[in-house]
Amino acid sequence: DAGVIQSPRHEVTEMGQEVTLRCKPISGHNSLFWYRQTMMRGLELLIYFNNNVPIDDSGMPEDRFSAKMPNASFSTLKIQPSEPRDSAVYFCASSSDGLLYEQYFGPGTRLTVT
Amino acid sequence: GENVEQHPSTLSVQEGDSAVIKCTYSDSASNYFPWYKQELGKRPQLIIDIRSNVGEKKDQRIAVTLNKTAKHFSLHITETQPEDSAVYFCAASSGGATNKLIFGTGTLLAVQP
Repeated sequence: DAGVIQSPRHEVTEMGQEVTLRCKPISGHNSLFWYRQTMMRGLELLIYFNNNVPIDDSGMPEDRFSAKMPNASFSTLKIQPSEPRDSAVYFCASSSDGLLYEQYFGPGTRLTVT
Repeated sequence: GENVEQHPSTLSVQEGDSAVIKCTYSDSASNYFPWYKQELGKRPQLIIDIRSNVGEKKDQRIAVTLNKTAKHFSLHITETQPEDSAVYFCAASSGGATNKLIFGTGTLLAVQP
């Protein structure tokens, strides 16, 4: 099992640019979660999907953030336009309804916006 | 909504001593309580979990206890080793119809050799 896969692992971009983060959940998992981690705010849930449908996006900071899950094996988190305060580590995690709540995290994407 | 509080924020112990991290939660409907370990620059990794029908669970040197009446749960690490040094997060399921986890703010554990 390859685990949750995220790309890119590191992203450096200039303020105002569009950033797209990608995630492939564990095969067979039907829930996918996007988190943001910073020293100041800790681990924050941004959005979560179940069976490709967004269930709770109350953690999405503002309209500059959007997320999609076009199929069971792929999700994107897009920031447009990016700002320096978006600098953080973004984690994707997945879980299965059969093992309720057990979430497994990907390696994360470290985003730096200059 | 669910709120999870975690204490202490930092903990320093001598190698071989025990470490205890405590969390409280607010939603009585929560029924799943995992603990994650995050080493510097790495992803959070699930190390142990407990469900509400169990009061205690042990896996080698780590154990978790749950008191549903008081709404608190704890992580116990015995015979600590330097490789136990990391940030530990507790979490609680949010209850209701979703399978969200609400995370605590983390505890930085330093095991001094």
